[in-house]
Amino acid sequence: GQQLNQSPQSMFIQEGEDVSMNCTSSSIFNTWLWYKQDPGEGPVLLIALYKAGELTSNGRLTAQFGITRKDSFLNISASIPSDVGIYFCAGRGGAQKLVFGQGTRLTINP
Amino acid sequence: NAGVTQTPKFQVLKTGQSMTLQCAQDMNHEYMSWYRQDPGMGLRLIHYSVGAGITDQGEVPNGYNVSRSTTEDFPLRLLSAAPSQTSVYFCASSYSSGLTDTQYFGPGTRLTVL
Repeated sequence: GQQLNQSPQSMFIQEGEDVSMNCTSSSIFNTWLWYKQDPGEGPVLLIALYKAGELTSNGRLTAQFGITRKDSFLNISASIPSDVGIYFCAGRGGAQKLVFGQGTRLTINP
Repeated sequence: NAGVTQTPKFQVLKTGQSMTLQCAQDMNHEYMSWYRQDPGMGLRLIHYSVGAGITDQGEVPNGYNVSRSTTEDFPLRLLSAAPSQTSVYFCASSYSSGLTDTQYFGPGTRLTVL
């Protein structure tokens, strides 16, 4: 089946630092999605990308759909304490099913 | 709207017991799905439904049954629980299975099988 590799698995940063995480796939996706999960909650959609090369921002978050359609990255600028959580990438290919990455756990030291 | 609701929030079962995880949505969404989340493995699709009366298998369907008798409800059944089914289960829904449709997730059910 389709596989997504998300890195890094965890990050420990200082408040105010920028964050970058990425996902790569062995196969092509038509849609890339980035979710955030808070403890005890379900994932919440942050950014959706639908075209190769697309660069989309949502406040301090920026995500890009790779030109090869096999990768995507998410950047968070000027991190704040409420950014703490687990970030997941997800890809949707021809079967219309979502495939999720393993997640990046973000911890912020004030 | 309540969005996607799941019950129970927590459940402990003994090996071999059966139970049903409930999922309901009030957004008139056609597409509903069940995922399990295990440490270091992200979310994996168990079963999904593109509309009432239609279900299909996802990536990890073994040991689980589903049915979709109404648009609103999509229960997940464990017929004979096993310790390997200890996980957090999420239900999700979207308007359709189209590329641009956002999936909304429920709060999850944390299941422990002893």
